[in-house]
Amino acid sequence: GDSVTQMEGPVTLSEEAFLTINCTYTATGYPSLFWYVQYPGEGLQLLLKATKADDKGSNKGFEATYRKETTSFHLEKGSVQVSDSAVYFCALSTGNAGNMLTFGGGTRLMVKP
Amino acid sequence: DTAVSQTPKYLVTQMGNDKSIKCEQNLGHDTMYWYKQDSKKFLKIMFSYNNKELIINETVPNRFSPKSPDKAHLNLHINSLELGDSAVYFCASSPNFDGKETQYFGPGTRLLVL
Repeated sequence: GDSVTQMEGPVTLSEEAFLTINCTYTATGYPSLFWYVQYPGEGLQLLLKATKADDKGSNKGFEATYRKETTSFHLEKGSVQVSDSAVYFCALSTGNAGNMLTFGGGTRLMVKP
Repeated sequence: DTAVSQTPKYLVTQMGNDKSIKCEQNLGHDTMYWYKQDSKKFLKIMFSYNNKELIINETVPNRFSPKSPDKAHLNLHINSLELGDSAVYFCASSPNFDGKETQYFGPGTRLLVL
């Protein structure tokens, strides 16, 4: 079946540090890939997505590139802020089986001033 | 205006009880979902529902049943609650079943079974 693996947290960084959160996947067919973010006590929000190989999703300074050859979708940000502290989820959807999202385990990011 | 809303926000109940969680979306979407997030933050799909077509994750106990009175609502009914049902339940919606579409999540319902 489909699966998503992302690096375990927590990831603790100082403000303005560079961020990378690794995400790899296995899927049948050609999935769309997503990064969702969950702030404390809130629901999930879409951060960015890519729907085909070599696409780059970007939003709020975050970027991720759909790499079919390495089945990866790593999340990066050049300079993190305290307000970026949250849990980040990598996910995929193939549109099969009711378009259900398959999530990775989540990575907690803590940014210190 | 809240795009996807859930009620209640918190639910504390005893084992063996039956409870329902309501979900409404005002986005005009055709497809709605229920997800369960456990204490370790792991998210798992439970159901997706589109135009009366229900897709069930095979691991979901049959004590859980979604009910959709109309396209904008997908309620979750749980019978005979168990301790292991304690979790945060998220409702979501998307325009359709297309895998490229973004899913929009509600704020979650925190269920605690005592």
